[in-house]
Amino acid sequence: QKEVEQNSGPLSVPEGAIASLNCTYSDRGSQSFFWYRQYSGKSPELIMFIYSNGDKEDGRFTAQLNKASQYVSLLIRDSQPSDSATYLCAVNGGANSKLTFGKGITLSVRP
Amino acid sequence: GAGVSQSPSNKVTEKGKDVELRCDPISGHTALYWYRQSLGQGLEFLIYFQGNSAPDKSGLPSDRFSAERTGGSVSTLTIQRTQQEDSAVYLCASSLAGHYSNQPQHFGDGTRLSIL
Repeated sequence: QKEVEQNSGPLSVPEGAIASLNCTYSDRGSQSFFWYRQYSGKSPELIMFIYSNGDKEDGRFTAQLNKASQYVSLLIRDSQPSDSATYLCAVNGGANSKLTFGKGITLSVRP
Repeated sequence: GAGVSQSPSNKVTEKGKDVELRCDPISGHTALYWYRQSLGQGLEFLIYFQGNSAPDKSGLPSDRFSAERTGGSVSTLTIQRTQQEDSAVYLCASSLAGHYSNQPQHFGDGTRLSIL
């Protein structure tokens, strides 16, 4: 059973702070890793993906992947109230391309 | 359109009725997925299509659920004899050809299904 675990949350940070969202996965053969943002009542929106060990930066977002330790994280710099949402980690390693999603962590950015 | 399109956006029906949910994927995306999300819960995988075939239907919760895809494009998820526990948001996603497992999935806005 492939598992993707995220901190239960919720996570609350003040505006302007760095929000750090973590995710661990059980399948060592996993190949691709995604972060989705889901606003309340809306569908998941892809915000970052990473395939190789190390960091990948896109604007205020940085995804970090460590395959040896089987974790992937998302850093949000200069957090804004508009970043308040549920963040879903998803991991894909199988030939049928089935993503396994974590349960998500809710982030609240306090003005 | 540019994104994944789902219809209807909302559906309210009585227990025991059949419902059909439709998904129109992004043009050129050969892989299509159905998920279910109950209130406050994570995403539950239902079925995956590659072209018109479904190599993985392991997430369908019962034989009341079925799905098909025609022309490598539009997919329909059918729930027969609906039950109250079927109430959820049904999400469809699509991605480029599944030869590579690194293709991201893009979601539609979902169908909110309420069973009275």
